[in-house]
Amino acid sequence: AQRVTQPEKLLSVFKGAPVELKCNYSYSGSPELFWYVQYSRQRLQLLLRHISRESIKGFTADLNKGETSFHLKKPFAQEEDSAMYYCALNSGGSNYKLTFGKGTLLTVNP
Amino acid sequence: DTGVSQDPRHKITKRGQNVTFRCDPISEHNRLYWYRQTLGQGPEFLTYFQNEAQLEKSRLLSDRFSAERPKGSFSTLEIQRTEQGDSAMYLCASSLVGLVGYTFGSGTRLTVV
Repeated sequence: AQRVTQPEKLLSVFKGAPVELKCNYSYSGSPELFWYVQYSRQRLQLLLRHISRESIKGFTADLNKGETSFHLKKPFAQEEDSAMYYCALNSGGSNYKLTFGKGTLLTVNP
Repeated sequence: DTGVSQDPRHKITKRGQNVTFRCDPISEHNRLYWYRQTLGQGPEFLTYFQNEAQLEKSRLLSDRFSAERPKGSFSTLEIQRTEQGDSAMYLCASSLVGLVGYTFGSGTRLTVV
């Protein structure tokens, strides 16, 4: 069965420090992974997807099939990065049915 | 078109009552998804439509839940005989076939008392 695990419910860092939000997955097929973000009082929105290998707002994430991980990283955190981050796995093939992790609340302190 | 709209934003209902939520997707999006999110959890898939056809339903969607998308435009999610365990945020999202990534609505927060 497909599963997404985000081991940290809360993560607190200081501005300018590196940040890594962990995500591990379990899936028998070829995984397609995403990071979604929800800023305070805003709707959930797509941050990035592994297939495009892009960097959005300074964040990157690399799919490591050997470790079944898709950790989100940013070298220098900013206060505006404070938000709830969800890792998601496409478990529905072309249907794009997503399985989400429980989320990590990132707080970047000044 | 300002994105995915959900109505109402909040709903408080007594146990046993029926409730209906509405979702208006981005107009050109032909896929529409419903998710449910409870406190401390990520969103959980409920069902999805491609145009007017409901193509998949989760086992989370008991017989008390029904969803429709007439004419492939807006969608409604009805919960009959609500229970306290139905209290959650109900999220709608839409997308276009061939595009990756959803656009989510703001959600409808249901409280069953």
